[in-house]
Amino acid sequence: EDKVVQSPLSLVVHEGDTVTLNCSYEVTNFRSLLWYKQEKKAPTFLFMLTSSGIEKKSGRLSSILDKKELFSILNITATQTGDSAVYLCARTPNNAGNMLTFGGGTRLMVKP
Amino acid sequence: DAGVTQSPTHLIKTRGQQVTLRCSPISGHKSVSWYQQVLGQGPQFIFQYYEKEERGRGNFPDRFSARQFPNYSSELNVNALLLGDSALYLCASSPGTSNNEQFFGPGTRLTVL
Repeated sequence: EDKVVQSPLSLVVHEGDTVTLNCSYEVTNFRSLLWYKQEKKAPTFLFMLTSSGIEKKSGRLSSILDKKELFSILNITATQTGDSAVYLCARTPNNAGNMLTFGGGTRLMVKP
Repeated sequence: DAGVTQSPTHLIKTRGQQVTLRCSPISGHKSVSWYQQVLGQGPQFIFQYYEKEERGRGNFPDRFSARQFPNYSSELNVNALLLGDSALYLCASSPGTSNNEQFFGPGTRLTVL
């Protein structure tokens, strides 16, 4: 079974801190890894990673994929209270279809 | 541009009943996928439809069924509801089935009593 495991399960930090969220996957076939932010209902898309070692960046958020070690990290610098959310990672298979297999998520709380 | 829309927002049913959830994808998107998210867990894949054909099915019982219409909107049906079907049901759309990011709707919160 292709599992996606995220750590930590939850994290509490203060505004201004930097956080690193981890996502590891077991895979027999792999095409891409995606990160989403879920605040209340709809997960919102953050990044899609397909190539190893190439960092993707959007403002204070960045992410990188290591296909050899089968993991990805999501970094958030200078955290703000608005970053409080559940962060989900998911992978797509290397065959027809782009169904997502999600990890359990990391719940991040940023305190003022 | 309108995003993915889902209806209804909330739904309360009793065990044994049947439910139909609806999803309209982003304009121009031809693929719709359904996910079930139980509280405290990540979403689990149920179905993917593309051009009105089923392209993938997750590990869900036959009580779950879906279809896609010519306008690419989709319905998810669940029969003989169980308490364990209580969850947030998310719909995601993408342009196709190749390596595209998927965009999620706000979900339908189903409570089974």
